[in-house]
Amino acid sequence: GAGVSQSPRYKVAKRGQDVALRCDPISGHVSLFWYQQALGQGPEFLTYFQNEAQLDKSGLPSDRFFAERPEGSVSTLKIQRTQQEDSAVYLCASSLVVGGGQGAGGYTFGSGTRLTVV
Amino acid sequence: DAKTTQPPSMDCAEGRAANLPCNHSTISGNEYVYWYRQIHSQGPQYIIHGLKNNETNEMASLIITEDRKSSTLILPHATLRDTAVYYCIVRPRGAAGNKLTFGGGTRVLVKP
Repeated sequence: GAGVSQSPRYKVAKRGQDVALRCDPISGHVSLFWYQQALGQGPEFLTYFQNEAQLDKSGLPSDRFFAERPEGSVSTLKIQRTQQEDSAVYLCASSLVVGGGQGAGGYTFGSGTRLTVV
Repeated sequence: DAKTTQPPSMDCAEGRAANLPCNHSTISGNEYVYWYRQIHSQGPQYIIHGLKNNETNEMASLIITEDRKSSTLILPHATLRDTAVYYCIVRPRGAAGNKLTFGGGTRVLVKP
């Protein structure tokens, strides 16, 4: 597609519910990133994939967060037993080159999924 | 990663130049200065980046001081569509720069 697509656009979950957020990167993009953005804050890095390999998951806040990219294209971020502090916008970004590249040819972000845990 | 400091907010008049400052006093020699902006309900969008020379593209100009401890993003003729949060980011070369470290940014409101 023309850009990075994320679904759903909005998700309301009851506390304790499991959720799955989907990211469709730009076709052919090697690198894929997930970020979490709390209200009024800048995005914070969660995890990075190069093709299907998860090379960095240092930003995942707890073992309730799990991400996968089994075929090196679509990625899913799963949050188990959601808590109110998980409420945030979850942003996905992709890049044609390894590691995000430089400049304008680097990251392309999606519009995010807004998760609200009630 | 080096930290950046930006004013939390600023207003500017439509049609006038907007000058957005950023301090990055601990920047090291292999780190770039990047600027992104985030319009409401959208993901961050790349604007410009530089190492030590001033840079200009169709969106903006980036002025980096000689000691590289600060920089200014210039939007030459601000429009209402430039209302957004602007993030100044210091990004290392190589694998360490794979992830972007955003701060709080500057919330810019362009007024008619």
